[in-house]
Amino acid sequence: DVKVTQSSRYLVKRTGEKVFLECVQDMDHENMFWYRQDPGLGLRLIYFSYDVKMKEKGDIPEGYSVSREKKERFSLILESASTNQTSMYLCASSIPNQPQHFGDGTRLSIL
Amino acid sequence: KQEVTQIPAALSVPEGENLVLNCSFTDSAIYNLQWFRQDPGKGLTSLLLIQSSQREQTSGRLNASLDKSSGRSTLYIAASQPGDSATYLCAVPWGGNNDMRFGAGTRLTVKP
Repeated sequence: DVKVTQSSRYLVKRTGEKVFLECVQDMDHENMFWYRQDPGLGLRLIYFSYDVKMKEKGDIPEGYSVSREKKERFSLILESASTNQTSMYLCASSIPNQPQHFGDGTRLSIL
Repeated sequence: KQEVTQIPAALSVPEGENLVLNCSFTDSAIYNLQWFRQDPGKGLTSLLLIQSSQREQTSGRLNASLDKSSGRSTLYIAASQPGDSATYLCAVPWGGNNDMRFGAGTRLTVKP
């Protein structure tokens, strides 16, 4: 089975901090994705990557950046955390045009 | 722009009932549609994937149908159980980069 692991289930940070969310997949998938999920808004794509060192903006990239130095790892970075970035963050991976597999999510609170 | 809508937002049924969850999408040029389950505080688990050439997919008590021309999909759950309580989301691919568009989900509660 595909395993997508997010480094933290719960995280509490302060405004202005630089925050790193890590995601690792073990199935050699080319594609990796970062979403945030908010009540009433569903999942929204922040960034995705289709290869090492490649990245594309999703619907809501503002305030975020990503890093993909190795195929199995995709990091989401909040450059200067703000309270409106409090959310559930979900990472996913896939082979192109195949179903996405999700991690368990990181619930991030920015105080 | 692709928009995905799920109705109702929440549904509560007694155990044993058969039920239908609805998903609609605005752009019918899709090549598949996926149904997910999400338990509270957890990630998404894929339930069923329907290719655009298919009209139905079945897995156990779950049956998903797809009508591309009308922009609709349904997820039928037979003989519901309390363990089916979760949020169910549908999603369709969008754009050429494996992006997906998700509905906001239907929160299902099955009462014993």
